[in-house]
Amino acid sequence: NFMLTQPHSVSGSPGKTVTISCTRSSGSIASNFVQWYQQGPGSSPTTVIYGDKERPSGVPDRFSGSIDRSSNSASLTISGLKTEDEADYYCQSYDGSNQVFGGGTKLTVL
Amino acid sequence: VQLVESGGGFIKPGGSLRLSCAASGFTFTNALMSWVRQAPGKGLEWVGRIRRQIDGETTDYAAPVEDRFTISRDDSKNTVYLQMNSLKTEDTAVYYCTQEGLGISPDYWGQGTLVTVSS
Repeated sequence: NFMLTQPHSVSGSPGKTVTISCTRSSGSIASNFVQWYQQGPGSSPTTVIYGDKERPSGVPDRFSGSIDRSSNSASLTISGLKTEDEADYYCQSYDGSNQVFGGGTKLTVL
Repeated sequence: VQLVESGGGFIKPGGSLRLSCAASGFTFTNALMSWVRQAPGKGLEWVGRIRRQIDGETTDYAAPVEDRFTISRDDSKNTVYLQMNSLKTEDTAVYYCTQEGLGISPDYWGQGTLVTVSS
């Protein structure tokens, strides 16, 4: 069993770039795909990144995903921040058959 | 892709409830379907999944629910179900139905249905 740890909150100004990390506690981050979900206030989650770095159609290319084996973490980077990006973001991966979620990160666009 | 959950409501501890999720916009028979829940003000928690008919409709469950919850599907109705028995106050959450992509394709989420377990 492993945990995915995210910062509780991050913030950035419009037009700037922010990165949200997701660190896997044991086992390699590269062993299983990582997904990222965006959840706006009062809304259900939507997928912004799947398969570590793939963007669903309709998700702007300001959103990008990556993994770093050296830090055993995944990252979601949002460039050209917009006020509409303000939301909670969750990473997710697999532990065998089970899904594992990070605790979520609240992004504030100042 | 559209996923519409229903069946949520208020229930006393120890009671049972069945949630439904009606799917459209994709080939349901080919879909891996999951349930994810979110307690009020908390993060996301995976509940369980059901595989396709050709994969035997086998199921996996998270430890907190594996002896109490059952997921099933009716491909003729494009619907997946979550039968919840012996409900506890800690099961209070919004329950989301998802089409699971396993990292090969995007996950799609429904709008959720609220289950409140309280005496």
